[in-house]
Amino acid sequence: IAGITQAPTSQILAAGRRMTLRCTQDMRHNAMYWYRQDLGLGLRLIHYSNTAGTTGKGEVPDGYSVSRANTDDFPLTLASAVPSQTSVYFCASSLLAGNTGELFFGEGSRLTVL
Amino acid sequence: GQNIDQPTEMTATEGAIVQINCTYQTSGFNGLFWYQQHAGEAPTFLSYNVLDGLEEKGRFSSFLSRSKGYSYLLLKELQMKDSASYLCAVRDSNYQLIWGAGTKLIIKP
Repeated sequence: IAGITQAPTSQILAAGRRMTLRCTQDMRHNAMYWYRQDLGLGLRLIHYSNTAGTTGKGEVPDGYSVSRANTDDFPLTLASAVPSQTSVYFCASSLLAGNTGELFFGEGSRLTVL
Repeated sequence: GQNIDQPTEMTATEGAIVQINCTYQTSGFNGLFWYQQHAGEAPTFLSYNVLDGLEEKGRFSSFLSRSKGYSYLLLKELQMKDSASYLCAVRDSNYQLIWGAGTKLIIKP
């Protein structure tokens, strides 16, 4: 089934550890996004990529990094996790950049930093 | 600052009609989206409005008034499976999406 796959679905992590959340899409979409979702808040954009080889910072980029080596993969790395990064992380994609058209979301990665 | 306001929670009865409101103050406007998100799942696209008026899609309709900075999502013939959170998002003048915190809709038999 075409779509977006995220891994892991859930992870408990000690503060200070490095963690990479993986995201792969098979829809050949140009744009990809990483959001975090916290209770009582709207989705907040961490980083985005309009096309392979380019990335940009979103609303809350500090403590996170991304890469886009090819069209399909868009991993999110936490270099040194802190408890405030406890959240549900969603990867999303859209056919075109600029939030044109609907976003397709992965199932989410629930991260707990202790 | 940019802001999207939606009620935190609403309750409705199976078979009834419910209207979920969304008001926004953003830097410009380039469209408004509604997404549905079941608990523990990913958001899925419901509707898109860029011009004033009503867009109907089956049991769901979405309305937009740009002059009032207002939209609503209307759900008819409610079913238990409609229990979910409904997210309103506005695309601003920079084509960035600004998201509301979502409205949790509880359907009772």
